[in-house]
Amino acid sequence: GQNIDQPTEMTATEGAIVQINCTYQTSGFNGLFWYQQHAGEAPTFLSYNVLDGLEEKGRFSSFLSRSKGYSYLLLKELQMKDSASYLCAVGNDYKLSFGAGTTVTVRA
Amino acid sequence: GAGVSQSPSNKVTEKGKDVELRCDPISGHTALYWYRQSLGQGLEFLIYFQGNSAPDKSGLPSDRFSAERTGGSVSTLTIQRTQQEDSAVYLCASSRPGTSGSSSYNEQFFGPGTRLTVL
Repeated sequence: GQNIDQPTEMTATEGAIVQINCTYQTSGFNGLFWYQQHAGEAPTFLSYNVLDGLEEKGRFSSFLSRSKGYSYLLLKELQMKDSASYLCAVGNDYKLSFGAGTTVTVRA
Repeated sequence: GAGVSQSPSNKVTEKGKDVELRCDPISGHTALYWYRQSLGQGLEFLIYFQGNSAPDKSGLPSDRFSAERTGGSVSTLTIQRTQQEDSAVYLCASSRPGTSGSSSYNEQFFGPGTRLTVL
């Protein structure tokens, strides 16, 4: 089975840093994905990790530890437009299994 | 090029009616996926197409749900005798040919979804 956990909500101040954790227990694994979804819109791809370590892409970074079944998404220099839901997903061959998503609210 | 498109964007129907949801994937993407997103829930996998065949239908919640894909392109998801618990956003995604293995991935591109409300 698939079990993917992430916090439901997080709030942070504009300009700050927020870290969204994701833990997973899945029957297969070939990568950990993060997607961003603004309210009423399609999820959009943010990052992909298949090896342990940190992947940095501008203000966003994603970390993976396969032995711990753990990932995090780090959002730096938060902007109001970063208010969205962030979805953690585990890839198993062609299939993605998603967590319930973390709603991040950025306040001025 | 154009992204994944879905129609209608919103559908309100009465309990017991049938509905058809349409997905137009990105041109050249042979893999197509349907997901369901209920309020406060994660995306729930429904079905996967590779070309016109569906090797994985394991996520379809009941035999009221069916999907087909023609010409390796457009897909329709049909829900018969709709129930109130079917109310959700139905998302379609497409990707280049699916591959397995730990060193490759194919990003899934999502459409905007169809919001289905069953009264």
